[in-house]
Amino acid sequence: NAGVTQTPKFQVLKTGQSMTLQCAQDMNHEYMSWYRQDPGMGLRLIHYSVGAGITDQGEVPNGYNVSRSTTEDFPLRLLSAAPSQTSVYFCASSLQGYEQYFGPGTRLTVT
Amino acid sequence: RKEVEQDPGPFNVPEGATVAFNCTYSNSASQSFFWYRQDCRKEPKLLMSVYSSGNEDGRFTAQLNRASQYISLLIRDSKLSDSATYLCVGYSSASKIIFGSGTRLSIRP
Repeated sequence: NAGVTQTPKFQVLKTGQSMTLQCAQDMNHEYMSWYRQDPGMGLRLIHYSVGAGITDQGEVPNGYNVSRSTTEDFPLRLLSAAPSQTSVYFCASSLQGYEQYFGPGTRLTVT
Repeated sequence: RKEVEQDPGPFNVPEGATVAFNCTYSNSASQSFFWYRQDCRKEPKLLMSVYSSGNEDGRFTAQLNRASQYISLLIRDSKLSDSATYLCVGYSSASKIIFGSGTRLSIRP
């Protein structure tokens, strides 16, 4: 089991560029989520999904889109990158939303 | 006021000591609580669940006090490898998952 994988590990974008952060899990978990972690702020929920075809917004969804076409994959799209989106992004999965398993993270810098 | 608050620390204690820290929450609708451990520049990893009746796992004990709205984590006989940031998290629903900012713990030889 690879668990939760994320690509890329690091990314630098210019303001206005778009990109997709990839997340995949091989544990057959229904629940997947995306967080961002900023210094002193803790992890904040961006979007989550309770199963294929079902997504919903978390605490800080603006500027991000998600889709869930398969149980395994949950990509996060940045529509038009802004410096305020500089952060570390973690993807997580779990059976029912509790006891989450996190991926290694993507460190994103927007200049 | 943040919904889940933690003392950021750092807590700097000698190896072998007992250390405890709390996490307070303001949303009484929060139903479930967990402690995660996060090493520097790594992902959070689940440490343990928190129940009203208490939960013990080896050297670690977690407790939930609903009346005073806080959860606690006690680490006995601390090891160098316990040095990390400890995150508490409260769940109200699938969309309401609130992480604290974390408490940094440093164990010195």
